[in-house]
Amino acid sequence: QVQLVESGGGLVKPGGSLRLSCAASGFTFSDYYMSWIRQAPGKGLEWVSYISSSGSTIYYADSVKGRFTISRDNAKNSLYLQMNSLRAEDTAVYYCARSYCTGGVCYGYFDYWGQGTLVTVSS
Amino acid sequence: EIVLTQSPGTLSLSPGERATLSCRASQSVSSSYLAWYQQKPGQAPRLLIYGASSRATGIPDRFSGSGSGTDFTLTISRLEPEDFAVYYCQQYGSSPDKYTFGQGTKLEIK
Repeated sequence: QVQLVESGGGLVKPGGSLRLSCAASGFTFSDYYMSWIRQAPGKGLEWVSYISSSGSTIYYADSVKGRFTISRDNAKNSLYLQMNSLRAEDTAVYYCARSYCTGGVCYGYFDYWGQGTLVTVSS
Repeated sequence: EIVLTQSPGTLSLSPGERATLSCRASQSVSSSYLAWYQQKPGQAPRLLIYGASSRATGIPDRFSGSGSGTDFTLTISRLEPEDFAVYYCQQYGSSPDKYTFGQGTKLEIK
């Protein structure tokens, strides 16, 4: 069955860095677009970043552009999010999520999500 | 950027009742590229509806979606105890850096 397992969250000081990982299993990872989506405590969902199946196309939300870097290693079935210059407002649960794809076409909704990893930015 | 506004913010109903949740977009959502998710406390969101009206795999038929353009609705025909949760709409009718979610509707037991 499809599984997405995030790791790497924790407590970091403002201005610090953190690298999140998402281990995928149960499907052909290299066929799917992937995204990071976050949720601040008690708040709604915010899309953060997207990467195409090959890694050639990447998008970021304006709120993280220039500070976060998404990447993937299809040989390791893994997705990453390098987060630099972290701010208090980056505090959230970070989910990795799979875009629905069929017949080589991928859509912008998310059919599988990981359980999330909590990032807390505080001094 | 398309802003999605969900209403009501909180909906209080009893099991067996019908729930109607609204999602209104600030501009037309192309190709009805709108999805609905359910989120329970401490859990990740779960996909319910995509393409405004198509049920995701394994979703009971008491859940239905409708609408087009700027007005979309999620209907739960007869509420089961496990349906009380927060529901989010999401539009994906634009490039990924413009994907947006609504602020959520909390469906609580009356």
